[in-house]
Amino acid sequence: EVQLVQSGAEVKKPGESLKISCTGSGYSFTTYWITWVRQMPGKGLEWMGIIYPGDSDTRYSPSFQGQVTISVDKSINTAYLQWSSLKASDSAMYYCAREYGPDAFDIWGQGTMVTVSS
Amino acid sequence: DIQMTQSPSSLSASVGDRVTITCRASQSISSYLNWYQQKPGKAPKLLIYAASSLQTGVPSRFSGSGSGTDFTLTISSLQLEDFASYYCHQSYSNPRTFGGGTKVEIK
Repeated sequence: EVQLVQSGAEVKKPGESLKISCTGSGYSFTTYWITWVRQMPGKGLEWMGIIYPGDSDTRYSPSFQGQVTISVDKSINTAYLQWSSLKASDSAMYYCAREYGPDAFDIWGQGTMVTVSS
Repeated sequence: DIQMTQSPSSLSASVGDRVTITCRASQSISSYLNWYQQKPGKAPKLLIYAASSLQTGVPSRFSGSGSGTDFTLTISSLQLEDFASYYCHQSYSNPRTFGGGTKVEIK
């Protein structure tokens, strides 16, 4: 079965760092882009950026450039989204998804809820 | 950035109704337009890719049309399981962008 499995929910304090993960299985992980999408509570979907596991080529939305880092460890079929200093406004659900041929996101992870509160 | 404008932002409909949701791009995106369905507490699900192609396993009551800047998602006969939020998404250029969403509620 083709799937993406994300790491569990996180509760952090402002200023702390965080790295969440997205592990692919059931397909050739290195040959499909992996994207990250934010969904704030009660709001819509926001595209954050995308990475190609084969060569780590990464593109960011201008809205998120410099705010997060997207990386990958292809040896363990895992993509990451990380923050160096969290803010309360980073509280949201974060999804990873696979982008396939027609440039659509066909497989999604289950989401990782991040809560940042003092 | 390409802006995606969806309308309406919400609608109320009954089971069996024909429902149409529109999405307009701020510039031409050819057919690089996808539609997703999201139910509360769940990840989005791909319904339509490349403007009009039905994703495998998606019921045929869903259809998509359009090219350039104007696109439509149609549900031919609304079913109970279709009450959800729907998002359009352009994959023509980076940054990828989503429409604001349409919430389909029970009348």
